[in-house]
Amino acid sequence: QVHLVESGGGVVQPGRSLRLSCVASGFTFSSYGMHWVRQAPGKGLEWVALISNDGSNKYYADSVKGRFTISRDNSKSTLYLQVSSLRAEDTAAYYCASEESAMVGSFDYWGQGALVTVSS
Amino acid sequence: DIQMTQSPSSLSASVGDRVTITCRASQSISIYLNWYQQKPGKAPNLLIYGASSSQGGVPSRFSGSGSGTDFTLTISSLQPEDLATYYCQQSYSTPPTFGQGTKVEIK
Repeated sequence: QVHLVESGGGVVQPGRSLRLSCVASGFTFSSYGMHWVRQAPGKGLEWVALISNDGSNKYYADSVKGRFTISRDNSKSTLYLQVSSLRAEDTAAYYCASEESAMVGSFDYWGQGALVTVSS
Repeated sequence: DIQMTQSPSSLSASVGDRVTITCRASQSISIYLNWYQQKPGKAPNLLIYGASSSQGGVPSRFSGSGSGTDFTLTISSLQPEDLATYYCQQSYSTPPTFGQGTKVEIK
């Protein structure tokens, strides 16, 4: 069955950087688009970024454009999110999610989340 | 960006009640509407895609309907395990956007 496992979260000072990872198993990773979605404590869901199955297309929310970079290594079935110039408002649980069909665009499977806390 | 508005923001209902949650898009999104359930402390889980198609393994008491700008998620007979926050999400255009969520409590 499908498993997505995030790692790399932690407490980081404002302005610093962090790299989140998401290891996938149970499906053909290289055939799926992948997303990052975040959720601030006690708040709703916010889409962050999307990468196409082959990594050739990347899209970002305006709130993170220029600061976050999504990437993937299909040989390792791993998705990444490089987060830089962190701000207090970036504090959130970061979920990776798979997209089986670009035509449908739903987030079919989710990881358990990685908590990023930006604090001095 | 397409704005998604859910109502109500929260509701309290008894076991066995029929529960309806609505989601309205700021422009027509055809049937590119998905519903998620998020239980306390857990990741979201896909319930409904394409406005009315159930994801595998989702109990039959969950159903979705609608097209264009107005959509509905219905729980036909509320169960204790349905305690959760429910989100709609449009996949018509990038960026994908979510409703603010509807918190369902059990009386």
